Amino acid sequence: GAGVSQSPSNKVTEKGKDVELRCDPISGHTALYWYRQSLGQGLEFLIYFQGNSAPDKSGLPSDRFSAERTGGSVSTLTIQRTQQEDSAVYLCASSLGQGVIDTQYFGPGTRLTVL
Amino acid sequence: TQLLEQSPQFLSIQEGENLTVYCNSSSVFSSLQWYRQEPGEGPVLLVTVVTGGEVKKLKRLTFQFGDARKDSSLHITAAQPGDTGLYLCAGGKVVSTGNQFYFGTGTSLTVIP
Repeated sequence: GAGVSQSPSNKVTEKGKDVELRCDPISGHTALYWYRQSLGQGLEFLIYFQGNSAPDKSGLPSDRFSAERTGGSVSTLTIQRTQQEDSAVYLCASSLGQGVIDTQYFGPGTRLTVL
Repeated sequence: TQLLEQSPQFLSIQEGENLTVYCNSSSVFSSLQWYRQEPGEGPVLLVTVVTGGEVKKLKRLTFQFGDARKDSSLHITAAQPGDTGLYLCAGGKVVSTGNQFYFGTGTSLTVIP
């Protein structure tokens, strides 16, 4: 079956512009995560959706970042007024929502470059 | 704040050598996972351990969860070029808003043929 897909794969934008990153999770997965990864580094948690519960937004670095998940499926991460420090790979993962033993299935990521 | 520190950060070894990667924290985790990530792709889960002192083997890879559930190690025997990649540990915690996974700083492994 299809895995997690993300679009676009690469995005180059100018400082101050808004960007939207899309994530299509695996069908039937109730949990969805967004992470940010700087070059060759570990993952920084951004936001977590589980079913119809309110999302855990505790990892969002500023109010310029927001995310939504429509119909319990597709998710969009929006960054407003982008800054150069926002440049990174943004990874999305989905899972069955099995708690701390959850297997997260990651997409290939969106590489964002802010000039 | 990085809850999990990995060492070494970079490792370059010859094919056939053994290696160990460490994942350390001062926090207790309910679970500890190891992922491998190749360039241009997302991480892929290798193993999940949940019991202090637990050891799991996956072919040439041996994973151990510390007795106090604060640390973990990954040992690779007779490394092969196909083992090359970024290895990430991730600690799972139950928090007020659900579950969170805290990823380590990563270990970049290169196995030279």
